[in-house]
Amino acid sequence: DAGVIQSPRHEVTEMGQEVTLRCKPISGHDYLFWYRQTMMRGLELLIYFNNNVPIDDSGMPEDRFSAKMPNASFSTLKIQPSEPRDSAVYFCASSSPVEGWFNEQFFGPGTRLTVL
Amino acid sequence: QQQVKQSPQSLIVQKGGISIINCAYENTAFDYFPWYQQFPGKGPALLIAIRPDVSEKKEGRFTISFNKSAKQFSLHIMDSQPGDSATYFCAASDTGNQFYFGTGTSLTVIP
Repeated sequence: DAGVIQSPRHEVTEMGQEVTLRCKPISGHDYLFWYRQTMMRGLELLIYFNNNVPIDDSGMPEDRFSAKMPNASFSTLKIQPSEPRDSAVYFCASSSPVEGWFNEQFFGPGTRLTVL
Repeated sequence: QQQVKQSPQSLIVQKGGISIINCAYENTAFDYFPWYQQFPGKGPALLIAIRPDVSEKKEGRFTISFNKSAKQFSLHIMDSQPGDSATYFCAASDTGNQFYFGTGTSLTVIP
């Protein structure tokens, strides 16, 4: 398997523009997570899905952020309008339940977003 | 509010030395404690994990020590190597699904 795939790997945009980040989870995984990584706050969970349904979006910073998972193999994280403080690395991760153990999360390579 | 507190923020160790990273938590419902390793430009990857029914878990040069009463756990890297230079994240989970990550420790191992 190719692992979790994210695109684009780098995105540079101007303040006010719409940004869409994309993720393809590992086939067969039924959990999908979106994280944001910054130096100050480390890895923050934004939202996660189970079987394409959003379970917890309490980490989404504000209404400018939205996430969708239209099917088991694709998810998007959208920022509209973008602001300089959104600059960070955004990771997508996926996992599948293992009875009696925790769900190891497999991370994608991340999208480095820079908002000018 | 940070559910898992991690220290130090950065660490420099000589080759062959022991690297120690500490984490603390408050939520007693947490029952899974993984450590993730992240190399520059890459996503984090699972390194080692433990459940609180054991006090220690060892995999090669990497050991997790767990103190349930103190609500603390730590990662020890024995015989640290330059290839171990990376950012390390501790995490905790109470459902097995959602993880609460620490803020990360940047480890540099000097040859």
